[in-house]
Amino acid sequence: KAGVTQTPRYLIKTRGQQVTLSCSPISGHRSVSWYQQTPGQGLQFLFEYFSETQRNKGNFPGRFSGRQFSNSRSEMNVSTLELGDSALYLCASSSSGTGQETQYFGPGTRLLVL
Amino acid sequence: ILNVEQSPQSLHVQEGDSTNFTCSFPSSNFYALHWYRWETAKSPEALFVMTLNGDEKKKGRISATLNTKEGYSYLYIKGSQPEDSATYLCASNNNAGNMLTFGGGTRLMVKP
Repeated sequence: KAGVTQTPRYLIKTRGQQVTLSCSPISGHRSVSWYQQTPGQGLQFLFEYFSETQRNKGNFPGRFSGRQFSNSRSEMNVSTLELGDSALYLCASSSSGTGQETQYFGPGTRLLVL
Repeated sequence: ILNVEQSPQSLHVQEGDSTNFTCSFPSSNFYALHWYRWETAKSPEALFVMTLNGDEKKKGRISATLNTKEGYSYLYIKGSQPEDSATYLCASNNNAGNMLTFGGGTRLMVKP
């Protein structure tokens, strides 16, 4: 089976712009979670989607949003980018999203905001 | 808000040494504890998912134990090899669903 894929892998944007990142889960997986990794804060949970519904949300401002499509692919959007949004964004997928099963991570999208 | 702590932050060992790291997490509403291995420029690799108090899991030279009553887990590496060099992350979730709270990680460097 192919692993979790994320596009694009690298992105440079300027303050005030918006950005959309994409995540394709492992085939058959229905849960997709998003995480932000910064040097100062480590890995932090953004949100989780399961069967096209947001099931959990982390402590991030409303500028961060996401959605999931019927084929389980997910996108996250960040509007009005700030310098502090520069980070590695990782998505992870799991089969049924019970929380007690393995989550498989993608390679991440590295976003630089200038 | 969960507080997951890992120690030490970094560790330098010689090839062949055995080593262990600690992950502490709030024991209330515990649901699962995950261990990951993350090499630079790669995706985090899942090692173990542990759910029951007293759980012990093993994968090759790596093993882990879980104490949910006191809120800690140990990861052991027997006979460290240079390819074990990576950051080891633990993460806890306290509800059904995939909202993981990660610790800061332990960065292991194994010298040949």
